[in-house]
Amino acid sequence: NAGVTQTPKFQVLKTGQSMTLQCAQDMNHEYMSWYRQDPGMGLRLIHYSVGAGITDQGEVPNGYNVSRSTTEDFPLRLLSAAPSQTSVYFCASTSPGGAYEQYFGPGTRLTVT
Amino acid sequence: QQQVKQSPQSLIVQKGGISIINCAYENTAFDYFPWYQQFPGKGPALLIAIRPDVSEKKEGRFTISFNKSAKQFSLHIMDSQPGDSATYFCAASGDYKLSFGAGTTVTVRA
Repeated sequence: NAGVTQTPKFQVLKTGQSMTLQCAQDMNHEYMSWYRQDPGMGLRLIHYSVGAGITDQGEVPNGYNVSRSTTEDFPLRLLSAAPSQTSVYFCASTSPGGAYEQYFGPGTRLTVT
Repeated sequence: QQQVKQSPQSLIVQKGGISIINCAYENTAFDYFPWYQQFPGKGPALLIAIRPDVSEKKEGRFTISFNKSAKQFSLHIMDSQPGDSATYFCAASGDYKLSFGAGTTVTVRA
């Protein structure tokens, strides 16, 4: 099991560019989520999905889109990157009915100039 | 506004000492309180978790104390080791969505 994988590991964007952060899990987890981590603010939920075809907004969804066409994949799209989106992004997954343990990927460090 | 408040922001402890991190929450709908440990360049990993019907849970050198009436919970790291140097996040959840504290960076001096 690879667990939760994220690509790329690092990315630099110019303001206004768009890109997709990839996230995949091989644990057959139904629940997946995206967080951003900023100094002094912990991790904040961007979007989450409780299963294929179902997504919903978290605490800080503006400027981001998600879709969930398969159980395994949950990509995060930045529509028009802004310097405020400079952050470390983590994808996580968990299995419902368990103890809510979320498994995190290694993260993507994004810099927007 | 953060739903979970965590303190201190950082702490330094000598090897063999006790590290204590405190968290407080407001939402009484939370029913799961995990602690995550994060090393530099890595994603957070679940360390230990507790449900509100239990006042204390111990796993090895790590103990969670939970005070439901005060809406507070804390992590105690006993016999702290240099390998425990990391950032620790408390969190709370009621429906799989985790609300995280701001994090505490623990440095254990040898």
